[in-house]
Parts: sequence; C-alpha cells; structure tokens
Amino acid sequence: DVKVTQSSRYLVKRTGEKVFLECVQDMDHENMFWYRQDPGLGLRLIYFSYDVKMKEKGDIPEGYSVSREKKERFSLILESASTNQTSMYLCASSLEDTEAFFGQGTRLTVV
Amino acid sequence: AQTVTQSQPEMSVQEAETVTLSCTYDTSESDYYLFWYKQPPSRQMILVIRQEAYKQQNATENRFSVNFQKAAKSFSLKISDSQLGDAAMYFCAYRSSGTYKYIFGTGTRLKVLA
Repeated sequence: DVKVTQSSRYLVKRTGEKVFLECVQDMDHENMFWYRQDPGLGLRLIYFSYDVKMKEKGDIPEGYSVSREKKERFSLILESASTNQTSMYLCASSLEDTEAFFGQGTRLTVV
Repeated sequence: AQTVTQSQPEMSVQEAETVTLSCTYDTSESDYYLFWYKQPPSRQMILVIRQEAYKQQNATENRFSVNFQKAAKSFSLKISDSQLGDAAMYFCAYRSSGTYKYIFGTGTRLKVLA
C-alpha cells in the first residue's frame, strides 16, 4: 500500500514563527502536492511538485514556499506564520495517471 | 478554468438505505478523470471510486457506484446499504488528462443514522 506520512498531526505555533511541515511518501511517486482544507472551501492547492527540485504554484501560494530535495520528501514552509494560516494541511502524492494518495493531515494553529 | 461543485453541504441517510451525493463540474476538456474521496473523522482521505471520462460504463466498487453523465457534466455517487462506517466527508474531484492538478469540490458531510 502507498503510504504518505506527514510529520505532525497537530502543531501550535506563534505568529511570526517559521514553520516546516514535512511529508514523505514511500512509493516513488513523481508528483507531490500540498493542499489546505478549510470548512466550506474544500481543498485548495498551495503548491505541487512533479520532480525533484521542480515546483509550481497552485491556487493559493501566497505566504508559503516548498522544498523538494529528494523524490520522497516534500516540505511546506510558512516563512512567517500568521493567524490566517490556521488550517488543516494535507499532503498527497501520485503517479502521472493514478489517483492522489493522501497523508493523515496536519492541523496547524497559529496563535 | 475548471470547477467542481457539490451543492449539498450535508446529507443524512438511515442505516441500510441508499443515498446519492451530487457533483457537477465544468470543463472544456474531453479527456479527464473524476474521483470520489472519503474523509472519515480520523481525517485520512481515501479514494472511493474513479471514473475515466472516455469510459461510458459507470464505475462500481462494491456498495459504491457512480452515475456519470458526460454531456450534463454530472458525476453523482450512490451508496447502497449504508453503514455507520460510511459517515464521513465526501469530496468530488476532477483532473484533466495530462495535467497534475486535482480540483476538489467543497465536500458533502454524510451522516448515517442508526
């Protein structure tokens, strides 16, 4: 089975902190994604990566950056966390022609 | 731009009954994929069913089936013999062939009543 693992299920950070959310997949998938999930808004794409060191902005990239130094790992970085970034963050991976496989999610609270 | 619309924020079904969740989408593409995902309270999103647009036959996975109407751009999910474990958020998703990006609807929360 494909396994996508996010490093934390719950995080509480202070405004202005630099925050790293880590995601690792074990199935050699080329594509990896970071989504943000908010009630009534569904899942919105922040960034995705289709290869090592390759990345593209999604629909809501402002305030976020990403890093993909190895194929199995995709990191989401909040350079200076703000309260409006309090949300559920979902990582996913896929091959070119398969469905996306998701991690368990990270609930981030910025205080 | 492609969009996915789920017009039912919440639905309820009696255990053992059948329920249908609605999804419509907008695209000018002819080749694409459609998905239904389930997100139980434990939060891990899992695939329920997928449909390739070029296939006329509706996909089926055990108690889950879809009604895919390509001309109407409609993709509904039918759950038969509903079980308590079916209670979850359900998301409809679209991906155009040859692209990486998945587009999700806003979700439908399904409650199953004992």
